[in-house]
Amino acid sequence: DIQMTQSPSSLSASVGDRVTITCRASQSIDSYLNWYQQKPGKAPKLLIYAASSLQSGVPSRFSGNRSGTDFTLTISSLDPEDSATYYCQQCYNNPTFGGGTKVEIK
Amino acid sequence: EVQLVESGGGLIQPGGSLRLSCAASGFTVNSNYMSWVRQAPGKGLEWVSIIYSGGSTYYADSVKGRFTISRDNSKNTVFLQMSSLRAEDTAVYYCARATSITTIFDYWGQGTLVTVSS
Repeated sequence: DIQMTQSPSSLSASVGDRVTITCRASQSIDSYLNWYQQKPGKAPKLLIYAASSLQSGVPSRFSGNRSGTDFTLTISSLDPEDSATYYCQQCYNNPTFGGGTKVEIK
Repeated sequence: EVQLVESGGGLIQPGGSLRLSCAASGFTVNSNYMSWVRQAPGKGLEWVSIIYSGGSTYYADSVKGRFTISRDNSKNTVFLQMSSLRAEDTAVYYCARATSITTIFDYWGQGTLVTVSS
C-alpha cells in the first residue's frame, strides 16, 4: 500500500497568515493527489484534486502544488472559516489518506 | 442535486453483522465509482471499500473477507455488508462518490455511526 505522510499534525495561525501543509507519498503517484477539508461533525469536502486543480466553489485562497512525491496545500490568507482538519489522499491505486492536519485560529 | 444518505448504523455486539445502505439521488450509482470510508472516534479517515462502475470490488486489508460492498441499480443504492465485527470497526461510516475515472471523492454522505461493543 502507498503510505501518505502528512505534516504538521496540527498548527495554529492568525487570520491573514499564509499556511502550508505538506503530504509525502511513499512512492511515485504522479499527480494523483487530492485534498479535503473536514469540520467537526461533518463529512469531508473536496478542495483540490489532481494535485493542483481547484474544486468548483472552493475559494481561490486554497492552492495545491507538487514536487516529485511531495505535495503541498497552501492557504494564502487564513480565514476564520478555515479552522478545520485537512487530509490528503492518493488515488494512484486503492485510496489511502494522510493522517490529517488540524488548523486552529490563534 | 447530488445527495447521498447513509442508514443502518447502530450498536452491535462483537462478532455480529450489520448492513449499511447508501441511497443516492441526482446521479446513477452504476455510472460512478462508489466507496465507503470510515472514521474511528477522534481519528483520521480510512478507506474501506470500493465498487467500480464495471462491478469490480476492492477492500482494505483490515476488512477483507469480512465486509462486502454491493449495489442495487434499481434502487440506486450501495450497500456495505459487515460481518464478524470487531471493536476496532467502531467508526462513522461515510458513503462517497468518486469520479468514473479515478477515486476523487467529490460527494459524501453525512455518515452513519457503527458502534461495536458488548
